[in-house]
Amino acid sequence: NAGVMQNPRHLVRRRGQEARLRCSPMKGHSHVYWYRQLPEEGLKFMVYLQKENIIDESGMPKERFSAEFPKEGPSILRIQQVVRGDSAAYFCASSPLGGGWQYFGPGTRLTVT
Amino acid sequence: GENVEQHPSTLSVQEGDSAVIKCTYSDSASNYFPWYKQELGKGPQLIIDIRSNVGEKKDQRIAVTLNKTAKHFSLHITETQPEDSAVYFCAALNAGGTSYGKLTFGQGTILTVHP
Repeated sequence: NAGVMQNPRHLVRRRGQEARLRCSPMKGHSHVYWYRQLPEEGLKFMVYLQKENIIDESGMPKERFSAEFPKEGPSILRIQQVVRGDSAAYFCASSPLGGGWQYFGPGTRLTVT
Repeated sequence: GENVEQHPSTLSVQEGDSAVIKCTYSDSASNYFPWYKQELGKGPQLIIDIRSNVGEKKDQRIAVTLNKTAKHFSLHITETQPEDSAVYFCAALNAGGTSYGKLTFGQGTILTVHP
């Protein structure tokens, strides 16, 4: 049973470009969460999604960031017009139900130059 | 919102010793408390969790205790091994609240086990 998959594992973008991060949850999991980890810091919640619905986006910056989890395919975290402060590790987690254990993927390390 | 404080930030022990990491939380409505281990370059791995209706849970060399009154919980690792070296994060969540998917993490503890 494959775990949570994220791609790409490393992504380099120039300032002003767009970054697209993908997350495929574990089989049978319909709840997806995105977290951001700045260097030498803990993980910060960004957004919680179920298929075709955003449940909680209280941790998402108001501008440039968006997330989706379509009926078919992976969840996508999109960052438009990236800035150096967006450089971080972005982790996706999934769970079969809300309000319980979350299993994390290996992360995407975004570097903005 | 919830705030989780974790101590110590670094912990160094000799192989075979015990290690204890402590966390406090602010929201009395939080009722689910997982612990994650993160190795360099990898994602956090769930190692043990506890719900608020239980005071202690054990899994081989790892145990977690919860004091709801004081709003703190602790991770105990006995007979530490070099492969236990990693960053450990505690987290809290209100499974019945409006933000029931939102884990709030502590700042992390870098555990080093010396052979």
